[in-house]
Amino acid sequence: GESVGLHLPTLSVQEGDNSIINCAYSNSASDYFIWYKQESGKGPQFIIDIRSNMDKRQGQRVTVLLNKTVKHLSLQIAATQPGDSAVYFCAENAPGNAGNLLTFGGGTRLMVKP
Amino acid sequence: KAGVTQTPRYLIKTRGQQVTLSCSPISGHRSVSWYQQTPGQGLQFLFEYFSETQRNKGNFPGRFSGRQFSNSRSEMNVSTLELGDSALYLCASSLVWGTGELFFGEGSRLTVL
Repeated sequence: GESVGLHLPTLSVQEGDNSIINCAYSNSASDYFIWYKQESGKGPQFIIDIRSNMDKRQGQRVTVLLNKTVKHLSLQIAATQPGDSAVYFCAENAPGNAGNLLTFGGGTRLMVKP
Repeated sequence: KAGVTQTPRYLIKTRGQQVTLSCSPISGHRSVSWYQQTPGQGLQFLFEYFSETQRNKGNFPGRFSGRQFSNSRSEMNVSTLELGDSALYLCASSLVWGTGELFFGEGSRLTVL
């Protein structure tokens, strides 16, 4: 079945450096991916999304890259700040799933060192 | 604009009891989804509602149920609680149905003893 997973459970970066969080998916028919950020004690917060007809999308300090050939996506955070410390989830709205049914990956904890 | 409000924020129950969790979506949002978050299983979809109708249901036993009212507020109920039901239950709302941009509340943390 469809699954969305992450390569690394924890990522530690220096403040000011760029961060790259990776995510793999298994269903080649998946066509819509979303990144969420969850800070301690809070619910997940939408960051950015990308559809399969794109291979790159940029937001404020964030870029999502989608490589359909290897079924991989990544979230890049530029000039990482202490406020970026959180758990990051990739999620998939799998094909055939109408509505808001999202399948989440396991999450990567980003720790920003001052 | 107020965010998604979930009540209660924390609760403790014992096995066999039942629990009802409430969710008030962002004003104007008609779609409400529920997710269970545990350290072992991560974030798992429970069900979603749009216009008072359940549109999707996740792979959870029938002890988990929900509903949506005409004002878009939603409740979920878990009957005959088990230890494994201990989790953070997250409600999310969205302006439209079929979007990945969900607005989550802070969750209701349920502990089953």
